[in-house]
Amino acid sequence: KAGVTQTPRYLIKTRGQQVTLSCSPISGHRSVSWYQQTPGQGLQFLFEYFSETQRNKGNFPGRFSGRQFSNSRSEMNVSTLELGDSALYLCASSLITGGKETQYFGPGTRLLVL
Amino acid sequence: ELKVEQNPLFLSMQEGKNYTIYCNYSTTSDRLYWYRQDPGKSLESLFVLLSNGAVKQEGRLMASLDTKARLSTLHITAAVHDLSATYFCAVVPIQGAQKLVFGQGTRLTINP
Repeated sequence: KAGVTQTPRYLIKTRGQQVTLSCSPISGHRSVSWYQQTPGQGLQFLFEYFSETQRNKGNFPGRFSGRQFSNSRSEMNVSTLELGDSALYLCASSLITGGKETQYFGPGTRLLVL
Repeated sequence: ELKVEQNPLFLSMQEGKNYTIYCNYSTTSDRLYWYRQDPGKSLESLFVLLSNGAVKQEGRLMASLDTKARLSTLHITAAVHDLSATYFCAVVPIQGAQKLVFGQGTRLTINP
């Protein structure tokens, strides 16, 4: 079974631009979560989607948004990029049957904002 | 608000030695995960611990959970160089939610 895939893997943008990242979960997984990893703040939860609905949201500004499609693929958008948005963005998927499944992480998208 | 703290944050050890990484969390949770991350890579799932007293082992790694003490440990036995990585514990604060709160990570370096 193929793992979680994320595109693009690397991205360079300039301040003020916007960016869209994509995540395809493991086949059959319906929950997709997004995390930001930076050296200073560590791993932080952005949001979770299940059946095209946002179920949980972390403490990030409104510039960070996401959505999930009917095939469970998810996109994350960051508008008006700031230098501090440079990070590794990780997507994770899980089944959500008993609610205690492991989240499986994708390879990540490394975003550099100049 | 759930806080997760790991210690130590940095650990340098010799091959063949044993050591333990500790993970404390501040509020009740029904799930605790351990992940491994190699430099520049994503997170690899190691263990999920679901109940008090749970113990899981894979190779030279063993994880345990004490929900009353809100403490998990990751024990490394007879360390080998290949275990060099950063190890994260993560806790889910709300039952049924898929929101992980991570510790700071423990960067483990194993020297020959």
